[in-house]
Amino acid sequence: SQTIHQWPATLVQPVGSPLSLECTVEGTSNPNLYWYRQAAGRGLQLLFYSVGIGQISSEVPQNLSASRPQDRQFILSSKKLLLSDSGFYLCAGADRTEAFFGQGTRLTVV
Amino acid sequence: QKEVEQDPGPLSVPEGAIVSLNCTYSNSAFQYFMWYRQYSRKGPELLMYTYSSGNKEDGRFTAQVDKSSKYISLFIRDSQPSDSATYLCAMSGPGGGNKLTFGTGTQLKVEL
Repeated sequence: SQTIHQWPATLVQPVGSPLSLECTVEGTSNPNLYWYRQAAGRGLQLLFYSVGIGQISSEVPQNLSASRPQDRQFILSSKKLLLSDSGFYLCAGADRTEAFFGQGTRLTVV
Repeated sequence: QKEVEQDPGPLSVPEGAIVSLNCTYSNSAFQYFMWYRQYSRKGPELLMYTYSSGNKEDGRFTAQVDKSSKYISLFIRDSQPSDSATYLCAMSGPGGGNKLTFGTGTQLKVEL
């Protein structure tokens, strides 16, 4: 099965600062990769998904972007963070039908 | 209407009880159904995965899918305090791993 590495675990950033969250995958090739944001009581909101290098689909218009420079690397970025970007961000990889998650990054924008 | 509906709870049960967690969905194209368990401040971990309708059992956990009613369930027998967590249902269409759709999660507390 896959292992999803995601870091950092917690992050506090000022409004207007840039963001870069990195996710790497072990144990599979050419996985589907996802970035989710989880807010209390709202479940998991899909932000981006990627089916291959350089292929990114955005699910919601927002202040964030994603890139996949390598097969097993998925990066979530922002040029200027907003207070509303605070939340719990999860990277996931899907091998066929099952998705496996990283441990998440709790982002607080202050 | 959300594609996947799940009661957020919280659901509180005594140790040893049988727990029933449920989701309903509206998209008849969903074919793959999953249950995830998430402890506080951790990423979700896959518990059960089923394809199409039917039952699947794994130890104390049983997953049921009723596609005709667009209803899925997770049963936990002999519940333990360590089962206290948020349980999320997830499902996807014919493409499988693409675009998993999640419920909001049900918070479960098993009390001594």
